[in-house]
Amino acid sequence: RKEVEQDPGPFNVPEGATVAFNCTYSNSASQSFFWYRQDCRKEPKLLMSVYSSGNEDGRFTAQLNRASQYISLLIRDSKLSDSATYLCVVNGDSSASKIIFGSGTRLSIRP
Amino acid sequence: SQTIHQWPATLVQPVGSPLSLECTVEGTSNPNLYWYRQAAGRGLQLLFYSIGIDQISSEVPQNLSASRPQDRQFILSSKKLLLSDSGFYLCAWSIEGDEQYFGPGTRLTVT
Repeated sequence: RKEVEQDPGPFNVPEGATVAFNCTYSNSASQSFFWYRQDCRKEPKLLMSVYSSGNEDGRFTAQLNRASQYISLLIRDSKLSDSATYLCVVNGDSSASKIIFGSGTRLSIRP
Repeated sequence: SQTIHQWPATLVQPVGSPLSLECTVEGTSNPNLYWYRQAAGRGLQLLFYSIGIDQISSEVPQNLSASRPQDRQFILSSKKLLLSDSGFYLCAWSIEGDEQYFGPGTRLTVT
């Protein structure tokens, strides 16, 4: 089993739709979790951290399920500009060597 | 505020030639620094990370090396490039194990 696993997609949804991605992780001791967004041929950019209590930033909601070892990202009222690859990141502990990036989920929003 | 610089933005080098990519961070002290490579259509592969000057850890054995001669400077080098070294090289910084922030990247093509 991969340490961090994501559905590669692509997810192709109409503008205005709600879309959700999951990301599973294998290390039950993982301590911190993030979602990044990467546009084509650009660097990844931090979208949001994922807290145990869940967090929301505008149209984006991130949740953590420790029991089932996954994190999720929900995008409501999707915009054309949301088209990108979404990377899940898991930090196994506080050391630098345990930060694992998922391979990403491609999202394409159509008009 | 913190900023991270990488150069060059693009590079085309012949097989067997040397490589030097530079990354500098401004606006923070004693950051963790990372070098990643992303092959076309693939996830991020951690190559090196550093928790301080002259403290480098290698994650993947290869013909690349890294150095950190100053607190906010991270250099990726190779004495002889291989075709398989082509990819998108990303430098990132973080404070301890927290969120990582990426530079704009260097797109390397080895011919």
